[in-house]
Amino acid sequence: DAGVIQSPRHEVTEMGQEVTLRCKPISGHNSLFWYRQTMMRGLELLIYFNNNVPIDDSGMPEDRFSAKMPNASFSTLKIQPSEPRDSAVYFCASSLDRGPYNEQFFGPGTRLTVL
Amino acid sequence: AQSVSQHNHHVILSEAASLELGCNYSYGGTVNLFWYVQYPGQHLQLLLKYFSGDPLVKGIKGFEAEFIKSKFSFNLRKPSVQWSDTAEYFCAVILNTGFQKLVFGTGTRLLVSP
Repeated sequence: DAGVIQSPRHEVTEMGQEVTLRCKPISGHNSLFWYRQTMMRGLELLIYFNNNVPIDDSGMPEDRFSAKMPNASFSTLKIQPSEPRDSAVYFCASSLDRGPYNEQFFGPGTRLTVL
Repeated sequence: AQSVSQHNHHVILSEAASLELGCNYSYGGTVNLFWYVQYPGQHLQLLLKYFSGDPLVKGIKGFEAEFIKSKFSFNLRKPSVQWSDTAEYFCAVILNTGFQKLVFGTGTRLLVSP
């Protein structure tokens, strides 16, 4: 199993540009999570999908952030326009929903730098 | 709001030293508790978890953690660390509400010198 795949691994962009982060969950998993990791705030859940439907997006910072999951094998997190304070590592995780707790498997992350 | 506190942000140990990383959470209901590890340049991996039963949980690579409900704590321990344990360690909580929302602590960076 290839695990959770994220692309790109590193992204450097200028303030005001649109940024799109991509995630391919583990095949067969039906839940997908986007997290952001910063020094100041640690790991924060941004949005959670179950069966491709957004269940909780209360962690999305503001309207500049949007996430989609058009099918079970692909999700995107878009920032438009990007700002320097968006610089962080963005992790995608997936799990198979089959009980009270389902282990989340994390991808390698995308390190975003907004200049 | 529920939160998870890790009081040690940086820990430096020599090989063979004993390790204990503190974790406290603020929620009075039933919780599920986890420790994740992030090795340099790698993604987060599950180290161990507690759902119910024996409060002393054993995980991979010789790690263990003890759930003390009265202290709202879930400290991670290892009797003898190795250089390969150099990593960042995250404590996390899921509230037993059916929603799979992991709340993470801010992490502890462990450096083990050979």
